[in-house]
Amino acid sequence: AQTVTQSQPEMSVQEAETVTLSCTYDTSESDYYLFWYKQPPSRQMILVIRQEAYKQQNATENRFSVNFQKAAKSFSLKISDSQLGDAAMYFCAYRGSGGSNYKLTFGKGTLLTVNP
Amino acid sequence: GAVVSQHPSWVICKSGTSVKIECRSLDFQATTMFWYRQFPKQSLMLMATSNEGSKATYEQGVEKDKFLINHASLTLSTLTVTSAHPEDSSFYICSAREIAGADNEQFFGPGTRLTVL
Repeated sequence: AQTVTQSQPEMSVQEAETVTLSCTYDTSESDYYLFWYKQPPSRQMILVIRQEAYKQQNATENRFSVNFQKAAKSFSLKISDSQLGDAAMYFCAYRGSGGSNYKLTFGKGTLLTVNP
Repeated sequence: GAVVSQHPSWVICKSGTSVKIECRSLDFQATTMFWYRQFPKQSLMLMATSNEGSKATYEQGVEKDKFLINHASLTLSTLTVTSAHPEDSSFYICSAREIAGADNEQFFGPGTRLTVL
């Protein structure tokens, strides 16, 4: 079974600074998808960024980027120019390559605090 | 687009009663919907996968007779917590996978907070 590990229960960053959230995963599959989700206090899950394992280029969405290391099974999220609105719980998630396997496996989450 | 709603957003019930939670895809058709449970300050745990017109597939350790799931149409799935007890109090989240969309994204509902007294 696939597992997702987020080793940082909590992180904090100063406004306008950069922070990196760690995520590692374990899988025997060669093709899969990885995601970072944000869950603010409203508890609505928001997709931040996704990465297809077959793509070597790291995904980027505005201030959010990932460092995807397939051999190391590592998928970290970098938030640049942190804003107060970035404060939330961040979950790393894994999904298999398809067929009937569209299930998401989530890590335990990292609570990010942004200090003004 | 790609909006998922849940109703109710919160519910309080007495122990022993049943509660139904609805999950609707408002602007797309969802062949598959997922039900998650989230305890305070914890991650999302998948309870079951629901496919339109067929029986739900439950994760190991989830009581199918306790958590009844019905996916009667391409836009609606329901989760019924039967004979609810205080330990069933939790935050329940659904997500939906769009038929015509990219096959690697799920859209999440806003969640339902269930409190069993």
